Amino acid sequence: AQSVAQPEDQVNVAEGNPLTVKCTYSVSGNPYLFWYVQYPNRGLQFLLKYITGDNLVKGSYGFEAEFNKSQTSFHLKKPSALVSDSALYFCAVRAPYGQNFVFGPGTRLSVLP
Amino acid sequence: GAVVSQHPSWVICKSGTSVKIECRSLDFQATTMFWYRQFPKQSLMLMATSNEGSKATYEQGVEKDKFLINHASLTLSTLTVTSAHPEDSSFYICSANSGTYNEQFFGPGTRLTVL
Repeated sequence: AQSVAQPEDQVNVAEGNPLTVKCTYSVSGNPYLFWYVQYPNRGLQFLLKYITGDNLVKGSYGFEAEFNKSQTSFHLKKPSALVSDSALYFCAVRAPYGQNFVFGPGTRLSVLP
Repeated sequence: GAVVSQHPSWVICKSGTSVKIECRSLDFQATTMFWYRQFPKQSLMLMATSNEGSKATYEQGVEKDKFLINHASLTLSTLTVTSAHPEDSSFYICSANSGTYNEQFFGPGTRLTVL
């Protein structure tokens, strides 16, 4: 069965500093991995995905994520955080031949001015 | 990217009434749509998978007679919360698959408050 863990409920970072939001997963076969961001009372916005190829994936708004197969991780990163990055971030995994996504519990990112 | 809309964005209703939420794929056809429920400060919980022209597949613990799902066309799925009660108050989000890798694109969500 697929599962996703986001070990941190909350991440605080100062504006301008680099940020990391952690994600580990469990899935049979090669995973399809996704990051989404959710602002208050809004749906989820797609940030980036890893399907195959280069382990470092670049996405929207300056975010990137690195797929690490040996550690079964897909951490989200940004070199310089903005206050406007403050939101709820969800990691998700899908098995290669499935349709359903499994979401992590979410990590609330607060970027402090 | 693909755009998914939901209507209404928020609704307040009295206990015992039914509420219909629409989910539309605006610029693509979606054979499969998903309905999620999200409680405050929690992750998304998949309620059901909606396939165009066939019955929805409900997740364990989700009452199919309570949450009626219809997917009559390739661009529209509806969720009807029947005989709503305060405990049904939640944020309901739909999504639709698109693209080579079946990426999910999400609607903006509907906040339901049952008084």
